[in-house]
Amino acid sequence: GNSVTQMEGPVTLSEEAFLTINCTYTATGYPSLFWYVQYPGEGLQLLLKATKADDKGSNKGFEATYRKETTSFHLEKGSVQVSDSAVYFCALRGKAAGNKLTFGGGTRVLVKP
Amino acid sequence: EPEVTQTPSHQVTQMGQEVILRCVPISNHLYFYWYRQILGQKVEFLVSFYNNEISEKSEIFDDQFSVERPDGSNFTLKIRSTKLEDSAMYFCASSENGGGNTIYFGEGSWLTVV
Repeated sequence: GNSVTQMEGPVTLSEEAFLTINCTYTATGYPSLFWYVQYPGEGLQLLLKATKADDKGSNKGFEATYRKETTSFHLEKGSVQVSDSAVYFCALRGKAAGNKLTFGGGTRVLVKP
Repeated sequence: EPEVTQTPSHQVTQMGQEVILRCVPISNHLYFYWYRQILGQKVEFLVSFYNNEISEKSEIFDDQFSVERPDGSNFTLKIRSTKLEDSAMYFCASSENGGGNTIYFGEGSWLTVV
């Protein structure tokens, strides 16, 4: 079945540091890949997505590239802010109609001023 | 921007009581989901719903759980007899269609069973 593995946190950074969160997946076929973010006390928000190999998703300074050859979708941001402190979830969704999202375990990121 | 709305935002219930969590998915969406997140843990799939029937459910979604779309706009999750381990954040979600389309989540309903 489908599965997503992402690096465990917490990841603690200083403001303006470079952030990378690793995510790898196992899936049949060619799923769509997503990063969701959960800010403290809030729900899940879509951060970015990519639907096919070599696509790059980007939003709010975050980027991730769909790498079929390494089955990865690593999240990066060049210069984090305190407001980026959150839990980040990597997820995949198969292309068949109605397919559910399968989430990784989440990575807590804490950015200190 | 259209959004998924959930009520209540927080509910405290006695063990053994029935709970209904309510959701209004985005209006033109066809696929509906419930997920849960026990405090500090990963987001787990419970059930998906399409065309007025369950299309997939997880092992968590046992006979104590049921879903319903009673009136064409609401989508509810019922837990018949709550247990302590049902304490979690429950997320409703919807998507326009299948495939790679984005699934949009509500803010969640925090259920505490005491």
